[in-house]
Amino acid sequence: EAGVTQFPSHSVIEKGQTVTLRCDPISGHDNLYWYRRVMGKEIKFLLHFVKESKQDESGMPNNRFLAERTGGTYSTLKVQPAELEDSGVYFCASSHHGGTFTGELFFGEGSRLTVL
Amino acid sequence: AQKITQTQPGMFVQEKEAVTLDCTYDTSDQSYGLFWYKQPSSGEMIFLIYQGSYDEQNATEGRYSLNFQKARKSANLVISASQLGDSAMYFCAMREDPTTSGTYKYIFGTGTRLKVLA
Repeated sequence: EAGVTQFPSHSVIEKGQTVTLRCDPISGHDNLYWYRRVMGKEIKFLLHFVKESKQDESGMPNNRFLAERTGGTYSTLKVQPAELEDSGVYFCASSHHGGTFTGELFFGEGSRLTVL
Repeated sequence: AQKITQTQPGMFVQEKEAVTLDCTYDTSDQSYGLFWYKQPSSGEMIFLIYQGSYDEQNATEGRYSLNFQKARKSANLVISASQLGDSAMYFCAMREDPTTSGTYKYIFGTGTRLKVLA
């Protein structure tokens, strides 16, 4: 079974440019999360999809960030226009709760974004 | 508000010895879950162990055990018989009961970098 995959693994862009990160969750996982880690800081929640619906987007920093999950399969996270403080590693994770409380997150390997 | 605190930015341990990585949490909820993840240098996040707030026994998974002290709101990870491959970042995380919080949001700490010495 394929795990969570993220693309690209690393992106270097200039301030003001646009970047789109993609995440393919594990097949059958309705829950998809985006997280970001800035060097030395905590892994910070951005948002949570249940299928194609945004369940919780309280962690999205501002309206330069747009996440979509059309069809409830893969998700994209677009940053437009990118700023220096957007640099970090963006993790995608999926899980299947299935009515039970326990349900670990399955993470992708992350997309490292560097904004110059 | 939920919060996870990992006060040890870095730790060293001699191979074959045990090591404890600290984690304290803050929540007003009675029902929650605590997780530990390992992030090796390759970048992927690997789930290690889970403890439910109502579990009376400390969770164990092979060489990993979770020292759960509910009254102190601590969930320390104990790695026994450390191996060189244990060198990695370790993150503590918490998820509140979604039936009360309305969300499956997970909160992570800042991580502890563990280095196992030969």
